[in-house]
Amino acid sequence: VQLVESGGGLIQPGGSLRISCAASGFIVSNNYMTWVRQAPGKGLEWVSIIYSGGRTYYADSVKGRFTISRDKSTNTLYLQMNSLRGEDTAVYYCARENEGGALDVWGQGAMVTVSS
Amino acid sequence: QSVLTQPPSVSGAPGQRVTISCTGSSSNIGAGYDVHWYQQLPGTAPKLLISGNDNRPSGVPDRFSGSKSGTSASLAITGLQAEDEAQYYCQSYDNSLSGSGVFGTGTTVTVL
Repeated sequence: VQLVESGGGLIQPGGSLRISCAASGFIVSNNYMTWVRQAPGKGLEWVSIIYSGGRTYYADSVKGRFTISRDKSTNTLYLQMNSLRGEDTAVYYCARENEGGALDVWGQGAMVTVSS
Repeated sequence: QSVLTQPPSVSGAPGQRVTISCTGSSSNIGAGYDVHWYQQLPGTAPKLLISGNDNRPSGVPDRFSGSKSGTSASLAITGLQAEDEAQYYCQSYDNSLSGSGVFGTGTTVTVL
């Protein structure tokens, strides 16, 4: 059971970036999947969730700018980030939520830096 | 801005017991939502330590224990070891926010 993120990098303010989270050992679409981020030297911040049924929710800080999605054929979770701001600079982790609501499997993280 | 408050730091000598509090409100812990705890070693992803208030996932030493009461929860580490030096976060849900998972502010545990 593993999650591997990719797609992070340096992006200018106002730009867009999509990060990916490839899963192995379980089926993404059968689980609740989340994105959590951590700004440099700061704590964890919940970003978004997609339920197995497809319903999605977002933190107020990213609502309207970020979109969570998944691809059944590649068993991959995505986070599309638009209108990026400096305060979006962070390590982005994908994680699986278990039946009890805890995040029991985490990816290694993808660094996103928003700077000119 | 987190709605779950933790002490910034706690410390103890090897072998001692330390506790970390996680204080919420009636819209999260007090509403009956479960509390989960995570350990984050420097430069690594968080790891699930306690699930559902007081359950240890397989592989987590029994030195770690969790509890919940009212609008607060606690993580206790007994027999503190050097390898326990890390950042610890609580997590729950809040029905006043869109979504929505919430994390605590985080606590640094230092082994003296």
